[in-house]
Amino acid sequence: GDSVTQMEGPVTLSEEAFLTINCTYTATGYPSLFWYVQYPGEGLQLLLKATKADDKGSNKGFEATYRKETTSFHLEKGSVQVSDSAVYFCALASGSARQLTFGSGTQLTVLP
Amino acid sequence: KAGVTQTPRYLIKTRGQQVTLSCSPISGHRSVSWYQQTPGQGLQFLFEYFSETQRNKGNFPGRFSGRQFSNSRSEMNVSTLELGDSALYLCASSRGEGPFTEAFFGQGTRLTVV
Repeated sequence: GDSVTQMEGPVTLSEEAFLTINCTYTATGYPSLFWYVQYPGEGLQLLLKATKADDKGSNKGFEATYRKETTSFHLEKGSVQVSDSAVYFCALASGSARQLTFGSGTQLTVLP
Repeated sequence: KAGVTQTPRYLIKTRGQQVTLSCSPISGHRSVSWYQQTPGQGLQFLFEYFSETQRNKGNFPGRFSGRQFSNSRSEMNVSTLELGDSALYLCASSRGEGPFTEAFFGQGTRLTVV
């Protein structure tokens, strides 16, 4: 079945540091890939997405590129801010099933 | 444009009771999915409704059920509550037709079973 493997957390960075959160997947066919972010006490917010190979999703300075050859969708940001502190989830949706399969989440803390 | 609305935000119930959670999707969205989030199991898919019909179901016991109304609002019911049902229940809204491209989540209902 489909699965998503995310980099283990927690991740602690200083403000303005470079961020990478690794995400790899296993799926049949050509899934759509997503990054969601969850702030404390809140639901999930869609951060970015990519629906086909080599697509780059981007939003709020975050980027991720759909790499079919390595089945990866790593999240990057060049300069993190304290306000980026949250839990980040990588997810996929494949085939005709309209359901998301999530990774375990990565807790990010950014220190001033 | 209003987002996905879930009510109530918090619930405390006793073992053996039942509970109903509500979700109003984004206007124009006809698909509503439900997810359970726990520290141990992470985010797990419960079921998806489209045009008042359950279209997809995850691996949960029959105590978990749902329905969707003609205005696309959805309710989820859990009967005979167990301590392990304590979780954040999230509802996701999407268009439901054509390729699946994105889903938008509500803030969730935090259920505590005591």
